Amino acid sequence: DAKTTQPTSMDCAEGRAANLPCNHSTISGNEYVYWYRQIHSQGPQYIIHGLKNNETNEMASLIITEDRKSSTLILPHATLRDTAVYYCIVHAGGTSYGKLTFGQGTILTVHP
Amino acid sequence: DTEVTQTPKHLVMGMTNKKSLKCEQHMGHRAMYWYKQKAKKPPELMFVYSYEKLSINESVPSRFSPECPNSSLLNLHLHALQPEDSALYLCASSQGQGAIYEQYFGPGTRLTVT
Repeated sequence: DAKTTQPTSMDCAEGRAANLPCNHSTISGNEYVYWYRQIHSQGPQYIIHGLKNNETNEMASLIITEDRKSSTLILPHATLRDTAVYYCIVHAGGTSYGKLTFGQGTILTVHP
Repeated sequence: DTEVTQTPKHLVMGMTNKKSLKCEQHMGHRAMYWYKQKAKKPPELMFVYSYEKLSINESVPSRFSPECPNSSLLNLHLHALQPEDSALYLCASSQGQGAIYEQYFGPGTRLTVT
């Protein structure tokens, strides 16, 4: 799987949009971009994923650049409960079929 | 319903004990996973089962023995563990084994080996 690079930590004010960047410059054509988050002492939670197009669901939006070398996760109105570690993962098929490789992630802290 | 349940929530065991961790899902998913997470580190994949057959073993020591008795259940049998095996053990499931399927995680079992 392609390697991802994320900032170690970010802050966001409650009620504002949180924009979390991720670089994946070596991504291949068949690799998906996934976002998960992990709130302290809980299991990771799936947020969203995409291949080429931008995606939106009830939790977040995923913006993937045209060259697919980077992406941004957008939480439109951050709340204190969104404080968590956010993992950007590039997920491929082939021999790593089904294997999620977590990096260090971004610690997002939402402030009142 | 996207719930994966794990029991027990906490487990303390000695190095000579034998114990088992249990994971259950009722979403009709055909792929199930075990991950290990040490303190302040990201989760690391241990095993993947697809259609009740072991598909991926990430070179996990034999003191960890997975079992998938049916499509809803996944067990992890533990024997002769070491203190360094203390960690949060996470189970996950997905509709299938592939990059297009998101994984849903349980809350984990926090294991302490004494």
